[in-house]
Amino acid sequence: NAGVTQTPKFRILKIGQSMTLQCAQDMNHNYMYWYRQDPGMGLKLIYYSVGAGITDKGEVPNGYNVSRSTTEDFPLRLELAAPSQTSVYFCASSEWHFGELFFGEGSRLTVL
Amino acid sequence: KNEVEQSPQNLTAQEGEFITINCSYSVGISALHWLQQHPGGGIVSLFMLSSGKKKHGRLIATINIQEKHSSLHITASHPRDSAVYICAVRVDSNYQLIWGAGTKLIIKP
Repeated sequence: NAGVTQTPKFRILKIGQSMTLQCAQDMNHNYMYWYRQDPGMGLKLIYYSVGAGITDKGEVPNGYNVSRSTTEDFPLRLELAAPSQTSVYFCASSEWHFGELFFGEGSRLTVL
Repeated sequence: KNEVEQSPQNLTAQEGEFITINCSYSVGISALHWLQQHPGGGIVSLFMLSSGKKKHGRLIATINIQEKHSSLHITASHPRDSAVYICAVRVDSNYQLIWGAGTKLIIKP
């Protein structure tokens, strides 16, 4: 099984550009999450979803948007990229609220 | 003060040594996760526990709910155990996980 697949792995953006980080899982998990990881810091939750059509904000949602039209896909959109969004982004999924977490390999984003 | 504190921040040891990484938290939790992040960046779940002790191979995780403390032990450590080990707690009241900053472990041959 592929598990959780994130694309792209690396991306450089100019200030003000927009882009979408893709995340797909093939485990039929209801719960999906987007995190960002800054150097030396713990992961911060950006958005999460508890099922298709249901999303909610995490700790640091400003500057991001998500959608969940299918169980498999949970894309993260960055609008008007800013240098503060330079980070490593991780998508994760779990079968249920208290379930084991499965992570994608991460997407390293640099905004210049 | 962070709600999840890990210690030590960095740990270097020789191959074969017994390793202990600690995680203390200040909130009520329903579960605690231990995860491993390799230098390439990928994150892998090691344990999820809400009480007692779990063992998988050379890894052992314990939790003391009353003391709000968990430990991750590695027996007979090996250079391939070199990674960042992350503790995260599932808060009682909501869906969110609170993450520790991680412990960077280096095992020298």
